[in-house]
Amino acid sequence: DAGITQSPRYKITETGRQVTLMCHQTWSHSYMFWYRQDLGHGLRLIYYSAAADITDKGEVPDGYVVSRSKTENFPLTLESATRSQTSVYFCASSRTGDGEAYGYTFGSGTRLTVV
Amino acid sequence: DQQVKQNSPSLSVQEGRISILNCDYTNSMFDYFLWYKKYPAEGPTFLISISSIKDKNEDGRFTVFLNKSAKHLSLHIVPSQPGDSAVYFCAARISQTGANNLFFGTGTRLTVIP
Repeated sequence: DAGITQSPRYKITETGRQVTLMCHQTWSHSYMFWYRQDLGHGLRLIYYSAAADITDKGEVPDGYVVSRSKTENFPLTLESATRSQTSVYFCASSRTGDGEAYGYTFGSGTRLTVV
Repeated sequence: DQQVKQNSPSLSVQEGRISILNCDYTNSMFDYFLWYKKYPAEGPTFLISISSIKDKNEDGRFTVFLNKSAKHLSLHIVPSQPGDSAVYFCAARISQTGANNLFFGTGTRLTVIP
């Protein structure tokens, strides 16, 4: 199906474990983003990618790793999960990085709980 | 330091009446503003946007107003419908300075009462 899909939808993991959140888009959009949504903070950018093999930090990158070997995939890895990383994570994509009139297209989110 | 602020966490409005959601920003460099709508268990979806060269943009029942001198924008929904019940995020961007410059507010939960 066309669109942007995130997996898993829900994940519970233990402190210290590595966990990877997946994001896949079918539009061949150049730009992809990872945001986290927390109460009182809105959406905050973790990492973004302008193209395959090009990634850069956002506002809150600490504790996260990304890669983008293929245009359509942009996985987010928590190398050693902490309770402060309990959040809802949204992946987004965009044809352009800043000038597009319609903003970004978001996935449905992954709710991650670190216990 | 929140550069985009939505000071009302929630708003309740009767069906058929006007909903007004407010957003304030602190960075005068922002030149493009967007509103997103989010239903539970879904990602945000784009609703409407406005460039800083305009003071109003209208799309059907939705109108966004921008007051640059006050660093304030608002989203008007007229008439409000129960299906409009969602969380609304305001976002602001400094164009042409990179993809990491879209800043979101904390959201306002709108409830439209039938």
